[in-house]
Amino acid sequence: ENVLMQSPGTLSLSPGARATLSCRATQSDITSMTWYQQKPGQAPRLIIFDSSTRAPGVPARFSGTGSGPDFTLTISSLQSEDFALYYCNQRDKFGQGTRLEI
Amino acid sequence: QVQLVESGGGVVQPGRSLRLTCRTSGFTFSENSMHWVRQSPGKGPEWVAVVWSYAGHTDYADSVKGRFTISRDISKSTLYLQMTSLRVEDTAKYYCVPHRGSYSNWYFDVWGRGTLVTVSS
Repeated sequence: ENVLMQSPGTLSLSPGARATLSCRATQSDITSMTWYQQKPGQAPRLIIFDSSTRAPGVPARFSGTGSGPDFTLTISSLQSEDFALYYCNQRDKFGQGTRLEI
Repeated sequence: QVQLVESGGGVVQPGRSLRLTCRTSGFTFSENSMHWVRQSPGKGPEWVAVVWSYAGHTDYADSVKGRFTISRDISKSTLYLQMTSLRVEDTAKYYCVPHRGSYSNWYFDVWGRGTLVTVSS
């Protein structure tokens, strides 16, 4: 069974800083990762699919990289609206989330 | 545009049953596989079940297998989740989401508002 482990659990940064969120899968042969952003009271929002493809409307400061088992979501210059929860997801498994806080 | 409207949630006692409904529009329902994803308070999302567009085959998370049944009415563009033998740990907001991507690498680009299920005595 594939398990996704996200790190760090909480990331505290200032606006304008660069954020690097990690997701490691226990299965090394997976080829793709999805990333979601979630704000309080809202449904998850698709940010990155197929490891590196930005969803429509997602700013270019968001980028995804990696291949099994290690994947990364990078936000190049944090804006106030980026502070939220982020989940990685591969098929039927979700990570436990990274809280990005100011 | 794609619209997903979940309903049927509520407060129910452990061991009882509940049926969730998801009315959809804005896409060709019959050609789309459909999933249910849930999220318990303060927790991350959890995949629940899928009904594949091809022949209506279904798959379930181990946590709900044998208790939940996903189904669809193509004529009504509607997805269902029949939940039986409910447990306290089934308490969550339930979302129906259209399948995007491949069989081995899928993702969800449209989410509804969800419907809240609370299992409590």
